[in-house]
Amino acid sequence: AQSVTQLGSHVSVSEGALVLLRCNYSSSVPPYLFWYVQYPNQGLQLLLKYTSAATLVKGINGFEAEFKKSETSFHLTKPSAHMSDAAEYFCAVTYNQAGTALIFGKGTTLSVSS
Amino acid sequence: DGGITQSPKYLFRKEGQNVTLSCEQNLNHDAMYWYRQDPGQGLRLIYYSQIVNDFQKGDIAEGYSVSREKKESFPLTVTSAQKNPTAFYLCASSPRGSYTEAFFGQGTRLTVV
Repeated sequence: AQSVTQLGSHVSVSEGALVLLRCNYSSSVPPYLFWYVQYPNQGLQLLLKYTSAATLVKGINGFEAEFKKSETSFHLTKPSAHMSDAAEYFCAVTYNQAGTALIFGKGTTLSVSS
Repeated sequence: DGGITQSPKYLFRKEGQNVTLSCEQNLNHDAMYWYRQDPGQGLRLIYYSQIVNDFQKGDIAEGYSVSREKKESFPLTVTSAQKNPTAFYLCASSPRGSYTEAFFGQGTRLTVV
């Protein structure tokens, strides 16, 4: 069965500091992995996705993630946090089989202080 | 502009009443999904549909029903059988093929009063 674990329900950083949000997946077949961001009372916006091409994926707003098969991880990073990055972040997984939907982690809330 | 429209944004329901949440998309996507979001629990799949006139239960389908009579529409009915319906509901769509990303609407916040 597919699953996603996001380590840390809440991460706090200072403005300008490195952002690291952790995501580990469980999959018996090659996964497709996604990171989404959600601002309060809004829908989800795609940050980036891994679909078996390059293992280092660059997304919007300066975020990137690296797929590491040996560690079953897909951690999200940003070199320098900005106040506007404060939001909830979700990691999601699916795989190449018809009739499946995205499976989401429980989310990580990122707080950025000045 | 192409996108997914959910309505209403806020909805209040009395206990024992059924209520229907609307979801419309003009992206020409084949697949549509309903997720429920509760604090600290992430998004949980309620129902999804890969094609018109066909849909499958997700992980938490009890107390919900859907229909898919048109490609662009996928309404969700929260029935009186749903024990704890207060939540944020998100509709999404994607092109056919499960390995593509889903596009989300802005959500409907349902409160039972």
